[in-house]
Amino acid sequence: GAVVSQHPSRVICKSGTSVKIECRSLDFQATTMFWYRQFPKQSLMLMATSNEGSKATYEQGVEKDKFLINHASLTLSTLTVTSAHPEDSSFYICSAWAAFLREQFFGPGTRLTVL
Amino acid sequence: AQTVTQSQPEMSVQEAETVTLSCTYDTSESDYYLFWYKQPPSRQMILVIRQEAYKQQNATENRFSVNFQKAAKSFSLKISDSQLGDAAMYFCAYRSAEEYGNKLVFGAGTILRVKS
Repeated sequence: GAVVSQHPSRVICKSGTSVKIECRSLDFQATTMFWYRQFPKQSLMLMATSNEGSKATYEQGVEKDKFLINHASLTLSTLTVTSAHPEDSSFYICSAWAAFLREQFFGPGTRLTVL
Repeated sequence: AQTVTQSQPEMSVQEAETVTLSCTYDTSESDYYLFWYKQPPSRQMILVIRQEAYKQQNATENRFSVNFQKAAKSFSLKISDSQLGDAAMYFCAYRSAEEYGNKLVFGAGTILRVKS
């Protein structure tokens, strides 16, 4: 199969702190991973494309200094929300590109609540 | 840029009945993929069905089938014999075939309610 995990599944933090979310491809290597943000009853909004060993490509309007992405290995990408504020509260989903299946597989998501 | 439009914010269907979810898209590319994803209350994205644009035959997966009209840029999903477990948000998505590992473009989604 092609399984993608995310950790943590839920996180609550205080305003001004930073939060790191991990995305792992468990049984395959992923040179490309994607990070999405989703508000309730809305669609997935692509934030950035993460490429192993290189800088992430951010979508227009996404602050790269706010949402730091690191893809240091073929099975792990991290999203760090820096100096989080209540408006950053959302559901964050990652996906990983499985080249052998030519398909993206999604993680279960992380619910971030900033107090 | 490619766009995907789902014009039905919500749909309802009686259990065991058939429902069709609509999707249109806009692209200037000739080779691409189209998808329907299901997002149940758990919020885990699940691939329902995939269509390759160069294939004329409509994809089917058990109770799920699509009506792919390339010229009209239409890609609807038909769910037959609806079950309570089909209740979810459904997203239509587009992916270019011209780049390796390319990103998905999602529609706004359709909430499907199944009545018992």
